[in-house]
Amino acid sequence: GNSVTQMEGPVTLSEEAFLTINCTYTATGYPSLFWYVQYPGEGLQLLLKATKADDKGSNKGFEATYRKETTSFHLEKGSVQVSDSAVYFCALSDNDYKLSFGAGTTVTVRA
Amino acid sequence: ETGVTQTPRHLVMGMTNKKSLKCEQHLGHNAMYWYKQSAKKPLELMFVYSLEERVENNSVPSRFSPECPNSSHLFLHLHTLQPEDSALYLCASSQDPGEWGETQYFGPGTRLLVL
Repeated sequence: GNSVTQMEGPVTLSEEAFLTINCTYTATGYPSLFWYVQYPGEGLQLLLKATKADDKGSNKGFEATYRKETTSFHLEKGSVQVSDSAVYFCALSDNDYKLSFGAGTTVTVRA
Repeated sequence: ETGVTQTPRHLVMGMTNKKSLKCEQHLGHNAMYWYKQSAKKPLELMFVYSLEERVENNSVPSRFSPECPNSSHLFLHLHTLQPEDSALYLCASSQDPGEWGETQYFGPGTRLLVL
């Protein structure tokens, strides 16, 4: 079956630090990959996505590249801000409506 | 209103109560979803409706009863819940279920506490 494994948090950083959240997946087909973000007290928002190998998704300074050879979709941002404090979820869908989510990584950015 | 809205945002209920959660999407989408988000667990898909027909019922206990009267509204009726049902319940919608790379749009959730 499909599954997503992402690095456990919590992750605490200082402003302007580099952020990486690792995500690897297992899928039977050729999935689409997503990063969702959940700010405190809110629902999930799509941050970025990639639908085929070597695609790079990007948004709000975040990037992730779909690596089929390593079955990975790591999230990166070069310089984080306090407003990036949130829970980040990696997810995949394998050509249907079902999203398989990772457990989430809590990121706290300190001023 | 835009996007996906959910009411109430917070709910406290006893184990013998009956309550309903409401979700409304203003995006013209054809599919709607209920998820359960518990602490330290991945999101769990509960129900999926496509064009008002239920297409997924993910082994959810019968004390949770979904209703989708039209493509814009989704309800989750709750009765005789257990304390372990306390969680954040998220509603989502998408344009066409099964479409490649389909994005789901989430509401803010209802924080449920069962006493």
